[in-house]
Amino acid sequence: AQTVTQSQPEMSVQEAETVTLSCTYDTSESDYYLFWYKQPPSRQMILVIRQEAYKQQNATENRFSVNFQKAAKSFSLKISDSQLGDAAMYFCAYCSNTGNQFYFGTGTSLTVIP
Amino acid sequence: ETGVTQSPTHLIKTRGQQVTLRCSSQSGHNTVSWYQQALGQGPQFIFQYYREEENGRGNFPPRFSGLQFPNYSSELNVNALELDDSALYLCASSRGGGIRYEQYFGPGTRLTVT
Repeated sequence: AQTVTQSQPEMSVQEAETVTLSCTYDTSESDYYLFWYKQPPSRQMILVIRQEAYKQQNATENRFSVNFQKAAKSFSLKISDSQLGDAAMYFCAYCSNTGNQFYFGTGTSLTVIP
Repeated sequence: ETGVTQSPTHLIKTRGQQVTLRCSSQSGHNTVSWYQQALGQGPQFIFQYYREEENGRGNFPPRFSGLQFPNYSSELNVNALELDDSALYLCASSRGGGIRYEQYFGPGTRLTVT
């Protein structure tokens, strides 16, 4: 079975600074999809960024970007110019190529310090 | 807001009882996935329904079952409740039979089993 590991239970960053959240995964598939989801306190989970494994180019969404290292099975999230609203639990997730299996990591709680 | 709704918000049941949780998908979405999120953990994939058929299942016993209706709303049924079933149950909807794309999550149903 695929596994997703987030080794940083908690992270903190100064407002306006940059922070990187780590994620590794294990799979025998060659094609798959990776995601970062954000879950603010008492609010609904929302998609931050998505990466297809067959694309070599790293995905970028405004202040959010990923460093996808397929051979190392690593998928880190970089948040630039951190804002107070970025404070949340961040989950790394893996989806099989067939789209019928989905795995989340255990999450990283991000605190943004004013 | 995402448009995915879940009911009820909170529920308290006794061990051995049965429970039904409900989810209304976002307009235009024909796929619904269910997740169990224990306190302090990442969500775990229970199963996915696409066009009223189960289209993928995680590592959950058969006492976890579901339905999807012609309007693409969905139910999660859990029989013979156990204490470990206490969790936040999340529903997510998406387009086109694949959770490879963006999922829109509901606010969740908090189930407590005593």
